[in-house]
Amino acid sequence: DGGITQSPKYLFRKEGQNVTLSCEQNLNHDAMYWYRQDPGQGLRLIYYSQIVNDFQKGDIAEGYSVSREKKESFPLTVTSAQKNPTAFYLCASSMVGASSGYTFGSGTRLTVV
Amino acid sequence: GDSVTQMEGPVTLSEEAFLTINCTYTATGYPSLFWYVQYPGEGLQLLLKATKADDKGSNKGFEATYRKETTSFHLEKGSVQVSDSAVYFCALSTGGSYIPTFGRGTSLIVHP
Repeated sequence: DGGITQSPKYLFRKEGQNVTLSCEQNLNHDAMYWYRQDPGQGLRLIYYSQIVNDFQKGDIAEGYSVSREKKESFPLTVTSAQKNPTAFYLCASSMVGASSGYTFGSGTRLTVV
Repeated sequence: GDSVTQMEGPVTLSEEAFLTINCTYTATGYPSLFWYVQYPGEGLQLLLKATKADDKGSNKGFEATYRKETTSFHLEKGSVQVSDSAVYFCALSTGGSYIPTFGRGTSLIVHP
């Protein structure tokens, strides 16, 4: 079955460390996205990519970085510059188009210890 | 810019009650409209969508009608179950950017 896989499900980071969250999809979707969700909050867009080797900043890109070397993969690195990284991170993919809707992964919960 | 406004939660209902979660929007152009559902600890799932005025999206007993005259896309279900307890997000996307605009989500709690 086609889908989108995020790993790991839980991740612990020491202060000052960079960590990378994985996102892989086998839906042949062109576009991929990263969102951050804090308790009781909505979704905030971090980065998105609509084509391989190209990506755009979202609303809260500071302290994060991404790459899009393959259509299937869109890893997110949370750098030490991100001051408050503890959150639930969601990856999504879609065909490019207003009516297609998103497919989401199951999320990664990142905690700074 | 585009925006989506959802009713504040939590919405608390008894099993078999009728559900309405209000969603209104502002958008340039003619948006596609979506409802997503998020169960605890999981990602969002697309519940239903409508791509033009007067379309009705439906899935798993949930329905929503695209009302252009009132710029609304209210989610309804005739008889909720405990398993419907989740957070529901209304969203829109337009041809300009393809990046959806999400509402803040409405938590639904259904008691036995």
